[in-house]
Amino acid sequence: DAKTTQPPSMDCAEGRAANLPCNHSTISGNEYVYWYRQIHSQGPQYIIHGLKNNETNEMASLIITEDRKSSTLILPHATLRDTAVYYCIVTTSGTYKYIFGTGTRLKVLA
Amino acid sequence: GAVVSQHPSWVICKSGTSVKIECRSLDFQATTMFWYRQFPKQSLMLMATSNEGSKATYEQGVEKDKFLINHASLTLSTLTVTSAHPEDSSFYICSARARDRGFYEQYFGPGTRLTVT
Repeated sequence: DAKTTQPPSMDCAEGRAANLPCNHSTISGNEYVYWYRQIHSQGPQYIIHGLKNNETNEMASLIITEDRKSSTLILPHATLRDTAVYYCIVTTSGTYKYIFGTGTRLKVLA
Repeated sequence: GAVVSQHPSWVICKSGTSVKIECRSLDFQATTMFWYRQFPKQSLMLMATSNEGSKATYEQGVEKDKFLINHASLTLSTLTVTSAHPEDSSFYICSARARDRGFYEQYFGPGTRLTVT
């Protein structure tokens, strides 16, 4: 079973920040949080990942709570091309298996 | 970044026949590849982990005799759906694990849509 829960859908206005939450309350100390997105009928695309510190790259920021039981993916200026299903995944550095949850379907509105 | 390809991108076959799907890492070597299945409007479901030179590890509930996986080289893994039936119609996606930017991640192929008639 997936170790993450996410809201099924969200809307965001174009140009505004999109904040996508993820709950991973059973995460253990050696498990990373990865975020991917899947645009319709394509393979998932990597966005960002983290262990316990907040992370930022050219695509997004990842905020992980101090207890590591939840995280938020932030797309700072959403565009129409960011419309996709976003998956939050918890995985260990040993197996690297990804067990996908249901994800959040983000719709960016013009 | 690392690129993974799949062939074919779509295939239609008759019930009872077998279909082979290829997954290739184009610019890197992958000791570990993964196969997923995705039904319409659902999430990806991990089917198996494919390790180069050894037997694949299947997830619970996945029939290993029906979904044959071969990882004969560091750049190629194949999934063969044997005796396909209409319920096997799905989107099959592979991924390859690589350490590209200082950390491990999975690079996903574009997927193969299988329709069994």
